[in-house]
Amino acid sequence: EPEVTQTPSHQVTQMGQEVILRCVPISNHLYFYWYRQILGQKVEFLVSFYNNEISEKSEIFDDQFSVERPDGSNFTLKIRSTKLEDSAMYFCASSGLAGPEQFFGPGTRLTVL
Amino acid sequence: AQSVSQHNHHVILSEAASLELGCNYSYGGTVNLFWYVQYPGQHLQLLLKYFSGDPLVKGIKGFEAEFIKSKFSFNLRKPSVQWSDTAEYFCAVNPMNRDDKIIFGKGTRLHILP
Repeated sequence: EPEVTQTPSHQVTQMGQEVILRCVPISNHLYFYWYRQILGQKVEFLVSFYNNEISEKSEIFDDQFSVERPDGSNFTLKIRSTKLEDSAMYFCASSGLAGPEQFFGPGTRLTVL
Repeated sequence: AQSVSQHNHHVILSEAASLELGCNYSYGGTVNLFWYVQYPGQHLQLLLKYFSGDPLVKGIKGFEAEFIKSKFSFNLRKPSVQWSDTAEYFCAVNPMNRDDKIIFGKGTRLHILP
């Protein structure tokens, strides 16, 4: 069964550094998403991406964040200058034309020191 | 603002007990509804979904949920839980005119005693 994959599974970085989280969505999907889950809190929507542009972003997704689909398979989330409060699990998801069901990847745990 | 409320943050049950996890949402329009499960150390998996039709939906592993439109609720049920059901359960809503995001509840941590 096709699945969403994410790398790395765990990223540790120093405050102020740039990080890029990578995702490979399900191959025939057209809609891509990033969510985050701070430890002990709920899963929060960050951004959705369709047709090579952002379709919606939350207030969390400020100028420090950007997304890109650099080729036909990868979908990346970049945090330009990480802050302590960016420490969280980041989930990528994708969905296709068959319906709004989103399929989630295993997540990347980001730890900012 | 759109929101999803899960009534129980932490539930502890013995094996074979019946389970009901409450979920209410605030959104006046048509919605798609989901329950996701996150087993320890694993990623979010879809347990069941409601798009339209029969408001009683059946999912994997013996779970079911009932959509009651008048109550804005989508409660999750299982008649007899197993130890392997220990996980965190998330209710989620996708407003149908905004198919670009899912709004999650805070989750309910379910612990089943063997």
